[in-house]
Amino acid sequence: SQTIHQWPATLVQPVGSPLSLECTVEGTSNPNLYWYRQAAGRGLQLLFYSIGIDQISSEVPQNLSASRPQDRQFILSSKKLLLSDSGFYLCAWSSVYNQPQHFGDGTRLSIL
Amino acid sequence: AQTVTQSQPEMSVQEAETVTLSCTYDTSESDYYLFWYKQPPSRQMILVIRQEAYKQQNATENRFSVNFQKAAKSFSLKISDSQLGDAAMYFCALEGAQKLVFGQGTRLTINP
Repeated sequence: SQTIHQWPATLVQPVGSPLSLECTVEGTSNPNLYWYRQAAGRGLQLLFYSIGIDQISSEVPQNLSASRPQDRQFILSSKKLLLSDSGFYLCAWSSVYNQPQHFGDGTRLSIL
Repeated sequence: AQTVTQSQPEMSVQEAETVTLSCTYDTSESDYYLFWYKQPPSRQMILVIRQEAYKQQNATENRFSVNFQKAAKSFSLKISDSQLGDAAMYFCALEGAQKLVFGQGTRLTINP
């Protein structure tokens, strides 16, 4: 069966520090991969999605970037975090377009 | 642009009763899918039910069913025989053009 792992679960970082959140999927190949951010009490906002290695689309101009160094690995990064980057970040995968997305457990990011 | 609107920020229901959560959407895509996701306090996103827009028959999944009105662009979720474990945030989502767009969510409280 397929599983998705996302870490760390919780992260506290100072303003201006770098960020690296990692997501990996097991049990499938060539998944579509997604990064979302959820502000407190709000819905999910799509940040990036990838349909293959080196094929990454950005939905919202921002301080973040994404990379997909391997087929089943998706990384969310920042060189310098801002206070506004605080939130709950979720990684997800789907097998093909229009199939349900399956989510990781999320990372709660707090910027001090 | 695709949009999803959930007009009920909060709902409550007595245990064992039935509750309906509302969702309306807008899209220019002819091929799209609709989903309801549940997010309990653990913040894990759990797929509840899925509806293909080309299907007229409403999807059902045990105690969960939808009322899909394509012309009205409405996609409500009915929960029958509500249980304490149903308490969560519920998100309506639309997938079209390879993007999943979420509503703002409805917080459902179950009263014992």
